[in-house]
Amino acid sequence: QKEVEQDPGPLSVPEGAIVSLNCTYSNSAFQYFMWYRQYSRKGPELLMYTYSSGNKEDGRFTAQVDKSSKYISLFIRDSQPSDSATYLCAMSRANAGKSTFGDGTTLTVKP
Amino acid sequence: GAGVSQSPRYKVTKRGQDVTLRCDPISSHATLYWYQQALGQGPEFLTYFNYEAQPDKSGLPSDRFSAERPEGSISTLTIQRTEQRDSAMYRCASSLRSGGETQYFGPGTRLLVL
Repeated sequence: QKEVEQDPGPLSVPEGAIVSLNCTYSNSAFQYFMWYRQYSRKGPELLMYTYSSGNKEDGRFTAQVDKSSKYISLFIRDSQPSDSATYLCAMSRANAGKSTFGDGTTLTVKP
Repeated sequence: GAGVSQSPRYKVTKRGQDVTLRCDPISSHATLYWYQQALGQGPEFLTYFNYEAQPDKSGLPSDRFSAERPEGSISTLTIQRTEQRDSAMYRCASSLRSGGETQYFGPGTRLLVL
């Protein structure tokens, strides 16, 4: 079983919908939690970054971390066609070099 | 530089040949990472450097894979005696330092081993 599990989708929603993306993990040592967006044929770009538990909001995006359940979420409000991409969750331990990624959820927002 | 660059962008090689991939990180970044990304999957960690030191190479699949960063800036990833299963996207990322810092990814090198 992988350390980080992510539902691959695909997920298709109409424009304006609220999108919920989720990951679960097994390593309780993870302290940093990230969401990356990856457009087709491009490298991942960091979208949201959270340290330990709690919520973080940035515009239409909200990241939530529940360490007790080993569960993280990304919410996208008022989704736009330009949000269509693959969303990758990633996690790392404190003072560790590497990040462990989920396999990504592919999202399509239809106009 | 302005961002992370990688070369070549595409590499086609025959099984058994050696290949070397190059990464040029953001100039102020101490830490450089190599990942392998198969189609439809997330990046898998290979190794990373703090300047020229290589604290973790646990993700390198076999001793055919090696990486170096001799002057603490540009890095190369070399795959010897390539096999078809080595075909993948190889991504480089850099960050200011290790330990929870934002990683900035390059465009990747698509390797195809025939």
